[in-house]
Amino acid sequence: ETGVTQTPRHLVMGMTNKKSLKCEQHLGHNAMYWYKQSAKKPLELMFVYSLEERVENNSVPSRFSPECPNSSHLFLHLHTLQPEDSALYLCASSQAYFEASGANVLTFGAGSRLTVL
Amino acid sequence: AQKVTQAQTEISVVEKEDVTLDCVYETRDTTYYLFWYKQPPSGELVFLIRRNSFDEQNEISGRYSWNFQKSTSSFNFTITASQVVDSAVYFCALIRNNAGNMLTFGGGTRLMVKP
Repeated sequence: ETGVTQTPRHLVMGMTNKKSLKCEQHLGHNAMYWYKQSAKKPLELMFVYSLEERVENNSVPSRFSPECPNSSHLFLHLHTLQPEDSALYLCASSQAYFEASGANVLTFGAGSRLTVL
Repeated sequence: AQKVTQAQTEISVVEKEDVTLDCVYETRDTTYYLFWYKQPPSGELVFLIRRNSFDEQNEISGRYSWNFQKSTSSFNFTITASQVVDSAVYFCALIRNNAGNMLTFGGGTRLMVKP
C-alpha cells in the first residue's frame, strides 16, 4: 500500500458510543495531522504530531482524543460525541512538521465520514 | 493571524471553457507559502502546487496555470479547456514560514464542469 490510508471510510455512531478512526501512512513521514471538514466551515486543523509527540491541539473538545503510537499510525478516539461533530475527518502526513527553509507538502487520506445520531 | 478567502463558492462551466478560481490571502509575514489542493468526490485532497512568497513567476502545468501577485495578495488558478474530470472542490491554502507546517485553508470553490 502507498500513501495515506484511513479506516473506516464511513462511520455512524450514537452519542454514547465509543469508536476510533485510524490513519496509516507508508511514506516514511515524521508528521501526522487530523483535520475536520464540516459542510459550512473551512478545513480545521485539530491535532498535529511530530515524531510521535503532539505539537498542536487547536482547542479541540476532550471528547476527541488522538493517539500516535508510532510515526506511521495515528488514531482519533471518539466518545460522547454530539450531532454537530458529524463531518469528514481527514488525516494527512508530511515529511516534517517544522522546516526552517520551507514548507512541506501534506499528503492527505480520503477521509472518514462520521455521522453522529 | 493569516486568512485565505475564496470568494467563489461554486462555479459551473461547460466542458472546454476556461475557468479561473480566485484566491486572496492575508498575512503579516514576509515569507510564506501558498498552495492549491484539489478534492475530487473520492475525498482526499490532492496537492497541485506550492509557491513561496519570493517567487512571483507564473507557473503553467499542462492545462493548469497559476498567477501569483503579491501586490494584490492573490494567487489565482486557471484551468484551460476544462474537462469533466476537473469537477472537484479546489482549496487555496497558506503556511507561514518558521511557524510549523500548519495550513490555513480557504473555504474552497466547487467547480462543476458539464459535458
